[in-house]
Amino acid sequence: DIQMTQSPSSLSVSVGDRVTITCRASQDISNSLNWYQQKPGKAPDLLIYDASLLETGVPSRFSGSGSGTDFTFTINSLRPEDIATYYCQQYDHLPLTFGQGTKLEIK
Amino acid sequence: QVQLVESGGGAVQPGRSLRLSCLASGFPLRNYAMHWVRQAPGKGLEWVAAMSYDGTTDHYAESVKGRFTISRDNSKNRVFLQMNSLKVEDTGIYYCARLGSIVAAMRGRLDSWGQGTQVAVSS
Repeated sequence: DIQMTQSPSSLSVSVGDRVTITCRASQDISNSLNWYQQKPGKAPDLLIYDASLLETGVPSRFSGSGSGTDFTFTINSLRPEDIATYYCQQYDHLPLTFGQGTKLEIK
Repeated sequence: QVQLVESGGGAVQPGRSLRLSCLASGFPLRNYAMHWVRQAPGKGLEWVAAMSYDGTTDHYAESVKGRFTISRDNSKNRVFLQMNSLKVEDTGIYYCARLGSIVAAMRGRLDSWGQGTQVAVSS
């Protein structure tokens, strides 16, 4: 199975901050990576697919980059409604695997 | 709009069975592969199973292989997860999710999720 290592596991942030989360795959997955946002008590929402493509309706302050084994997810100018847990997920091979999540908390 | 609604969760003892159902609406289910993903209390997301758009191909996580079976009835807009020989570690919220690629793909982005159904396995 492809292991996804996400960092950091938690992040203390302020409104307006630029937030960066990284995800590393245990092998080359090309651009087969997605990013999800999950708020407490809710299902995950797809934000970024194919490493860098913005899902329809997702604000442009969210972005993704990377290929191969190293990927980055960025929120520019964090808003209060962005407080959530974020997961990366690879789909290069089944089983689909997720990173362990990054929980954003208000400083 | 796309909607997925799970049902069938509950509290059961180890070794017992449950059948989860996912009712799809707002899109032609027959064109999409479907997945189940679970989340243990306070933990991250774990992929469980997937089925091709036409029901001919299925895949499972090692942790559930031989105990869980995914199936679908496209005529009734439903996807199922039969869970047998349940273990305490199967406890969590179970989500069904649509693969955001039409027809042949099994892997990709999960672009629509249900609200989840809770499964609690304990003695």
